[in-house]
Amino acid sequence: GEDVEQSLFLSVREGDSSVINCTYTDSSSTYLYWYKQEPGAGLQLLTYIFSNMDMKQDQRLTVLLNKKDKHLSLRIADTQTGDSAIYFCAESVLNQGGKLIFGQGTELSVKP
Amino acid sequence: NAGVTQTPKFQVLKTGQSMTLQCAQDMNHEYMSWYRQDPGMGLRLIHYSVGAGITDQGEVPNGYNVSRSTTEDFPLRLLSAAPSQTSVYFCASSYDSYTDTQYFGPGTRLTVL
Repeated sequence: GEDVEQSLFLSVREGDSSVINCTYTDSSSTYLYWYKQEPGAGLQLLTYIFSNMDMKQDQRLTVLLNKKDKHLSLRIADTQTGDSAIYFCAESVLNQGGKLIFGQGTELSVKP
Repeated sequence: NAGVTQTPKFQVLKTGQSMTLQCAQDMNHEYMSWYRQDPGMGLRLIHYSVGAGITDQGEVPNGYNVSRSTTEDFPLRLLSAAPSQTSVYFCASSYDSYTDTQYFGPGTRLTVL
């Protein structure tokens, strides 16, 4: 079945780059997403990548996709304290009505 | 646009009680879904709908009912609450079920005693 795995915690210093990693199992995934969840809030879509791309850049965010290894990463450049949140990786599943499979979430802690 | 709204924000129930979590969107989105979020488990899909009158089960549907009588509303019903249903519930919507990004509501935190 489909599965998405993430490490649970990441701690970085302000100004450093953060890299959050994700692995998935379903090779038929079409879109892969990164969502951000701040404490007590819903999920905010940060960025997404189509499965036939290998990189997407959006301001401080860079998404890398390695389809062969089924590995997705999110790099945040110049990480700020406001980036502290939980980051979820998710994949959309082909022919299942847009169902999203989420990873467990990576809690990013940014220290000043 | 208000986006996706959910009520209530917090709810405490006793085992066996019933209640309905409300979800509404004003973006004319066809696709709506309900997820539950539990610590260390990410979000899991409960039920989804690809349009008014059409619903289907997700990954963890047991103990929950849904209906979709209008495009705007997608309520989630707990018929007989159990402590295992203590969770944070998120509603999401998108223009279509496949290529469009999903927008999430702020969540309902439910505790079942």
